[in-house]
Amino acid sequence: ETGVTQTPRHLVMGMTNKKSLKCEQHLGHNAMYWYKQSAKKPLELMFVYNFKEQTENNSVPSRFSPECPNSSHLFLHLHTLQPEDSALYLCASSQELGTEHREAFFGQGTRLTVV
Amino acid sequence: SQELEQSPQSLIVQEGKNLTINCTSSKTLYGLYWYKQKYGEGLIFLMMLQKGGEEKSHEKITAKLDEKKQQSSLHITASQPSHAGIYLCGADETGANNLFFGTGTRLTVIP
Repeated sequence: ETGVTQTPRHLVMGMTNKKSLKCEQHLGHNAMYWYKQSAKKPLELMFVYNFKEQTENNSVPSRFSPECPNSSHLFLHLHTLQPEDSALYLCASSQELGTEHREAFFGQGTRLTVV
Repeated sequence: SQELEQSPQSLIVQEGKNLTINCTSSKTLYGLYWYKQKYGEGLIFLMMLQKGGEEKSHEKITAKLDEKKQQSSLHITASQPSHAGIYLCGADETGANNLFFGTGTRLTVIP
């Protein structure tokens, strides 16, 4: 148990569906992250929020839409995805950017399959 | 671009053997982080190194960061099946930007 919880753990969706991934952290952190992990590729950083403000959008297609209503919750809204978007989506949290001990703690991930 | 190279990509060892995984950057790093991942699951934080020449140990795992802060190694002594998984190094360059990762090293420990 890392203190970061992701739901759902598995998701199968059609290309015309709309779904959302949820992440919640109980660590008192102020930075939250979405990463995408595909087979044989490094973890790809998608979005970063620092004190609820988005600080990074790594050229992610607009079919992925993040939302951070507070420092404890992070969502990833999905719509009209493509099969190549199938991957493990990982959420992480850490102390705010600029602090010394910024190790990130990860959730268990959501395994997304787009059919 | 931000890149971390890990070697080897995969490693198969007999239980009880020692092993080393390497992580190299072309740039000086601010922080270097080691994680372990079971297949299809989240990453478990192992250790963070920030100072050149720093070395940390936890149980049978030791991580080192070189003086230039561009290379790190993870050493496992007397490996056990419980050590099996994917080991990833992550890093940031300034402390104010974001963690990027290597491609990982898949470790198999044969009983």
